[in-house]
Amino acid sequence: GAVVSQHPSWVICKSGTSVKIECRSLDFQATTMFWYRQFPKQSLMLMATSNEGSKATYEQGVEKDKFLINHASLTLSTLTVTSAHPEDSSFYICSASHEGDQPQHFGDGTRLSIL
Amino acid sequence: DAKTTQPTSMDCAEGRAANLPCNHSTISGNEYVYWYRQIHSQGPQYIIHGLKNNETNEMASLIITEDRKSSTLILPHATLRDTAVYYCIVRVGSQGNLIFGKGTKLSVKP
Repeated sequence: GAVVSQHPSWVICKSGTSVKIECRSLDFQATTMFWYRQFPKQSLMLMATSNEGSKATYEQGVEKDKFLINHASLTLSTLTVTSAHPEDSSFYICSASHEGDQPQHFGDGTRLSIL
Repeated sequence: DAKTTQPTSMDCAEGRAANLPCNHSTISGNEYVYWYRQIHSQGPQYIIHGLKNNETNEMASLIITEDRKSSTLILPHATLRDTAVYYCIVRVGSQGNLIFGKGTKLSVKP
């Protein structure tokens, strides 16, 4: 089956640093990848949609200069949280989809804690 | 995309069938019904999807009413590892983002 790998699984860092999260589709080519954020006891909220080779489309209220998304290949997308602050602490999850009538598959998420 | 309504929580005895309902009365003709589940502290897991016909795979069965305004996800023999939040989502085709509601928290009890 389709496998999406996300790295790292968790990260703790100091306020003001930047953190990069990788999302890889291991056994299929993903033309589109999605980034979600989930706060405790809440549902997933879409942050942005990225298509390989083009700029990401951000949802309303998501700062594109703070959450940098790069989708340079059909198997890799990265999310960089720049100058992270405690309020950015959350569970970040990516998903990827094939072309055609195939469902999205999700990574296992990255738990980000900013001290 | 159409909105869905699910019960907040449900309990099920281990080994019994778990039937999770979902209402999607405003679904359009070209919208699919998708089911995902999220086990605590993990990413969502795809379960099954369908358009009009009932579907079955190794994980579950999906029963869609003839008018397509509601559906039921059936886990035929629930185990403790099926305890999770189950999300019913309707969406056009396979592309485009998924909009997650609050889902149903299923607790499978021994």
